[in-house]
Amino acid sequence: KNEVEQSPQNLTAQEGEFITINCSYSVGISALHWLQQHPGGGIVSLFMLSSGKKKHGRLIATINIQEKHSSLHITASHPRDSAVYICAVSLYNTDKLIFGTGTRLQVFP
Amino acid sequence: DTGVSQDPRHKITKRGQNVTFRCDPISEHNRLYWYRQTLGQGPEFLTYFQNEAQLEKSRLLSDRFSAERPKGSFSTLEIQRTEQGDSAMYLCASSLDAGWAYEQYFGPGTRLTVT
Repeated sequence: KNEVEQSPQNLTAQEGEFITINCSYSVGISALHWLQQHPGGGIVSLFMLSSGKKKHGRLIATINIQEKHSSLHITASHPRDSAVYICAVSLYNTDKLIFGTGTRLQVFP
Repeated sequence: DTGVSQDPRHKITKRGQNVTFRCDPISEHNRLYWYRQTLGQGPEFLTYFQNEAQLEKSRLLSDRFSAERPKGSFSTLEIQRTEQGDSAMYLCASSLDAGWAYEQYFGPGTRLTVT
């Protein structure tokens, strides 16, 4: 079993829909990261959080430390949101990131 | 532009050849990380540096792989005697040691194809 699990693996939505991507982890962490990767490889950090909730524009990330679960929400989705969204965790005793396999999101007009 | 840069962006090589990749981190960042990503998978940790010291290496990093960060600035990742299984995207990231957890900034990656 992977230390970081994401669901769903693939997600298709119509423009304007509310989107949720889930992430569960099984190890002790110092922080959880949500990353966005567009075709061609570049990765951009969206959020780093260790408790509660963060919001940036149409993106919201939440984390429940007790349940070892995080969600990334996209409100009013747009075709430009189409990308791979990756959940990653920083472990307590090291700075390396452990990544989930990613969720491929396609938003159609 | 003060982001993380990587060179080359693409590399095609024949099996058995040696390749070297370079990463230039954000200038004030003291931590530098190398990851590898194969198609359809999330990245996997290879190694990381704090300044010039290599603090951790993954078991994925076989004897054919070596990484250096000689003056605590740029880093190189060398793969000797490349194999087809080495084909992947090699990602570099950097961060600033400024607290409990560190946001990492990623470069555009070097895509390696071994034929």
